[in-house]
Amino acid sequence: AQSVTQLGSHVSVSEGALVLLRCNYSSSVPPYLFWYVQYPNQGLQLLLKYTSAATLVKGINGFEAEFKKSETSFHLTKPSAHMSDAAEYFCAVSKRQWNRDDKIIFGKGTRLHILP
Amino acid sequence: DSGVTQTPKHLITATGQRVTLRCSPRSGDLSVYWYQQSLDQGLQFLIQYYNGEERAKGNILERFSAQQFPDLHSELNLSSLELGDSALYFCASSARGQGTANTGELFFGEGSRLTVL
Repeated sequence: AQSVTQLGSHVSVSEGALVLLRCNYSSSVPPYLFWYVQYPNQGLQLLLKYTSAATLVKGINGFEAEFKKSETSFHLTKPSAHMSDAAEYFCAVSKRQWNRDDKIIFGKGTRLHILP
Repeated sequence: DSGVTQTPKHLITATGQRVTLRCSPRSGDLSVYWYQQSLDQGLQFLIQYYNGEERAKGNILERFSAQQFPDLHSELNLSSLELGDSALYFCASSARGQGTANTGELFFGEGSRLTVL
């Protein structure tokens, strides 16, 4: 069975500092991996996704994530945090070979706080 | 704009009542998913439909039911409401299975916030 673990339910960084949100996955088959962001009072929106091309994936708003098979990780980074990055971030995994009852598995989320 | 529409955005009701939440998926998406998000439980998968058929069930209570109609919109029915049912309910749609190039990411609506008093 697939699973996702996000380390740290809350992460605080100073404005301008590096953002690092950690995600480890478990999957018996090569997965697709996703990061979603949820701003206050909004739905989740896709930040970026890994589908098997480049292992370093660039997303919106300056975020990127690197797929590391040996570490079963897909950590999300941004070189310089901005106040507008304060939100909840979800890592998610799904199978490549799809059965119609397969679903995307979400982590529990990490709330990112930006300190002025 | 994700293309997924949910109504109503906000709903306040009393314990014991019944409500219906509606979702219109992105144009062409056959899969619809319902999620519940609360402060203590996080994001919980409830149920999935694919082209009108129920495909997967998650942590959905027996008091809750859903269906997907021929025009692909979906409704989530919550009955005998309890205080603990107060939450954000999200609908998401996906084109998963509709072409080999599709990677199955979900597109979420903005949610329906249910408050049970």
